Amino acid sequence: EAGVAQSPRYKIIEKRQSVAFWCNPISGHATLYWYQQILGQGPKLLIQFQNNGVVDDSQLPKDRFSAERLKGVDSTLKIQPAKLEDSAVYLCASSYLAGPGTDTQYFGPGTRLTVL
Amino acid sequence: RKEVEQDPGPFNVPEGATVAFNCTYSNSASQSFFWYRQDCRKEPKLLMSVYSSGNEDGRFTAQLNRASQYISLLIRDSKLSDSATYLCVVNVGSARQLTFGSGTQLTVLP
Repeated sequence: EAGVAQSPRYKIIEKRQSVAFWCNPISGHATLYWYQQILGQGPKLLIQFQNNGVVDDSQLPKDRFSAERLKGVDSTLKIQPAKLEDSAVYLCASSYLAGPGTDTQYFGPGTRLTVL
Repeated sequence: RKEVEQDPGPFNVPEGATVAFNCTYSNSASQSFFWYRQDCRKEPKLLMSVYSSGNEDGRFTAQLNRASQYISLLIRDSKLSDSATYLCVVNVGSARQLTFGSGTQLTVLP
């Protein structure tokens, strides 16, 4: 079974530029998550989708970050404009079930963003 | 106070040693508990779930104390391949969201 795919794997930009990340979850997984992992910290949830609807985006800095999951499959996360403190690894994860409860989240390899 | 707190380490132990990691969580409504493993520059992967009765998977034993809001992971007979960061993870509420600790770094030395 193919895992969660993310691209690009690495991105270097200057502050105030824009950047977009792409995620393709495991086929059939209803729930998709974007996390930000700053060096030395655990992943922090930015946004959660269930199918193509947003479940929670309370920790997404909406003045500069946006995300969408069209057709309930692939997702993109955008930062516009980037700040130095956005340097981090952006992880996408997916899980099979939707609704209440917990099941295993499978993570993609992440996109390592460096903002200069 | 952080929602999930872990000793950051690093823990440097010789092969064959037994090592224990501790974790505390702040929300008494937390429902599910996990340990994830993250290798250097890789993504987190589920190591094991943690149940109230305690559970074991080979050399790994996880314990949960709901009254103290405390989770532990014990690794026996450490291998070089156990070197990684171990993330304590908690699920609160019904929305399938996970809250991660900052991780404890383990290096097993030959």
